[in-house]
Amino acid sequence: DVKVTQSSRYLVKRTGEKVFLECVQDMDHENMFWYRQDPGLGLRLIYFSYDVKMKEKGDIPEGYSVSREKKERFSLILESASTNQTSMYLCASSFPTSGISTDTQYFGPGTRLTVL
Amino acid sequence: RKEVEQDPGPFNVPEGATVAFNCTYSNSASQSFFWYRQDCRKEPKLLMSVYSSGNEDGRFTAQLNRASQYISLLIRDSKLSDSATYLCVVNTRSNDYKLSFGAGTTVTVRA
Repeated sequence: DVKVTQSSRYLVKRTGEKVFLECVQDMDHENMFWYRQDPGLGLRLIYFSYDVKMKEKGDIPEGYSVSREKKERFSLILESASTNQTSMYLCASSFPTSGISTDTQYFGPGTRLTVL
Repeated sequence: RKEVEQDPGPFNVPEGATVAFNCTYSNSASQSFFWYRQDCRKEPKLLMSVYSSGNEDGRFTAQLNRASQYISLLIRDSKLSDSATYLCVVNTRSNDYKLSFGAGTTVTVRA
């Protein structure tokens, strides 16, 4: 069974704090993703990575950065947290099938971040 | 315009009923289609892929209409455990592992 874990289920931070969200997967997946989920907006892709030390911007990267030093770990960093970053953050991983595109993404349980 | 749009519902149905809902996607070049299920306060999980010819998985039937750019999900003989939010998911670019998610359709099955 694929397991994706996230460092915290709930987190409360203050405006301006630096925030680290950690994600670890145990299936040797190459692809890892960070999303935020907000009511009515669905999941929006923040950053993704297809390999160690590789990162690419998703649809809403502003205010975020990522780090992938090891294959199993993908970190999301909020350099200076703001109240509009209050959200549910979901990490996902996938293993690319042969050929192109389609594969299943496996999600972690999510981190509900509140920025005061 | 959002890449994937869904009726948010909620669809409130009695046990045993059939419920069906659609989602539309904007990119006609979209290649792959999925339904994910998300229980309350849980992470999304793949329910089923959607194939061009339509496919069934037990009580669940998924259909794809490329001409009108929508996919559908039908649940027969609804169970209480089917209560969840169903996310329509599309791969809008070929040769790419990124997915676009709809905001979800909420289904509540009542006893």
